[in-house]
Amino acid sequence: EVQLVESGGGLVQPGGSLRLSCTVSGFTFSNYWMSWVRQAPGKGLEWVANIKEDGNKKNYVDSVKGRFTISRDNAKKSLYLQMNSLRAEDTAVYYCVREDSFSGDWGADYWGQGTLVSVSP
Amino acid sequence: DIQMTQSPSTVSASVGDRVTITCRASESLNNWLAWYQQKPGKAPKLLIYKASTLESGVPSRFSGSGSGTEFTLTISSLQDDDFATYYCQQYNSYFFTFGPGTKVDIK
Repeated sequence: EVQLVESGGGLVQPGGSLRLSCTVSGFTFSNYWMSWVRQAPGKGLEWVANIKEDGNKKNYVDSVKGRFTISRDNAKKSLYLQMNSLRAEDTAVYYCVREDSFSGDWGADYWGQGTLVSVSP
Repeated sequence: DIQMTQSPSTVSASVGDRVTITCRASESLNNWLAWYQQKPGKAPKLLIYKASTLESGVPSRFSGSGSGTEFTLTISSLQDDDFATYYCQQYNSYFFTFGPGTKVDIK
């Protein structure tokens, strides 16, 4: 069974940092692109960042460029999101997402349960 | 970056109705478009990928069509379980933009 489990969310002050982790099981992690997607309270989905299977290509939404860093450790079957200089508008549930790149079909076919990040004084 | 729009933002419908949601992209997507369903407090669920391919386990009342910059999600006969918010997402560029969502609620 495919599972993605996020951790690391919490309450942080503006300007602070957090590191989100996502540990996966049930599939060969190193075969898939992975993404982080967030959803602010009462708002729609926003794709945040993605990373290639080997970690050598990364993409970010403009609003987080220079502040967030996506990374992965294929040996540990883990995905990370280092978030620095956090702002109130970063408050959201953050989802770890598997992109179905292995089949070539794409589409975010598995999602974690989400972890809440709250940025507030 | 590719911009995505959806219409309508809300659709009020009854069980048994046919519902159609439209997604438009600011440039051609070469069919690299997916549709998701999200219920309150839950993670989204992939319904359709490559514009028209039904994800395994998704009921056949869901269908996707379109090409280029305009795509459609159709629910042929709305069921109780289908009241939710629906999002499109493009995969043509590596910046996987979502549409703003369409809420399907009870009429």
